[in-house]
Amino acid sequence: GNSVTQMEGPVTLSEEAFLTINCTYTATGYPSLFWYVQYPGEGLQLLLKATKADDKGSNKGFEATYRKETTSFHLEKGSVQVSDSAVYFCALSEYRANSKLTFGKGITLSVRP
Amino acid sequence: EADIYQTPRYLVIGTGKKITLECSQTMGHDKMYWYQQDPGMELHLIHYSYGVNSTEKGDLSSESTVSRIRTEHFPLTLESARPSHTSQYLCACRGDGYTFGSGTRLTVV
Repeated sequence: GNSVTQMEGPVTLSEEAFLTINCTYTATGYPSLFWYVQYPGEGLQLLLKATKADDKGSNKGFEATYRKETTSFHLEKGSVQVSDSAVYFCALSEYRANSKLTFGKGITLSVRP
Repeated sequence: EADIYQTPRYLVIGTGKKITLECSQTMGHDKMYWYQQDPGMELHLIHYSYGVNSTEKGDLSSESTVSRIRTEHFPLTLESARPSHTSQYLCACRGDGYTFGSGTRLTVV
């Protein structure tokens, strides 16, 4: 079956620090990969996605590259802000009509001023 | 502006009460989903639907039930709420991508 593994949290950083959140996956086919973000008291928002190997998704200064050889999709940002404090979920979905999203456990990021 | 709406946002209710969490979408999507989010933030799929009159149980067993009489609505019902049902419930629909509602935070006392 499909699964997503995220690094253990929580993560606390100072403003302007570099961020890396690790994500690896297991899938039987060729999935699309996603990062979702959940701000306090909100639902999930799509942050970025990649649909095939070597694709790079990017949004709001965040980036993640689909690495098929290492089955990874690590999230990075060069300089975090206090407003980036949220819960981040890595997820995958196979390219089938009735495929469902499989989520990692999520990681809480807190950014100090 | 949200295209998928969940009501209520917050609900505190006594044990044994029947409750229905509402989820509505205006995008005409066939595929809809309910996720339960535990205090540790992990998301578990509890129900999904691929269209009117189609409902399936998800990966996590749940005492809740769902119905899909109309494309726009995918309500979730608990016949007799218990403290173990305290959680956040997120509804989503899928077109080209997934769109999530803001969630209902349920507390059963």
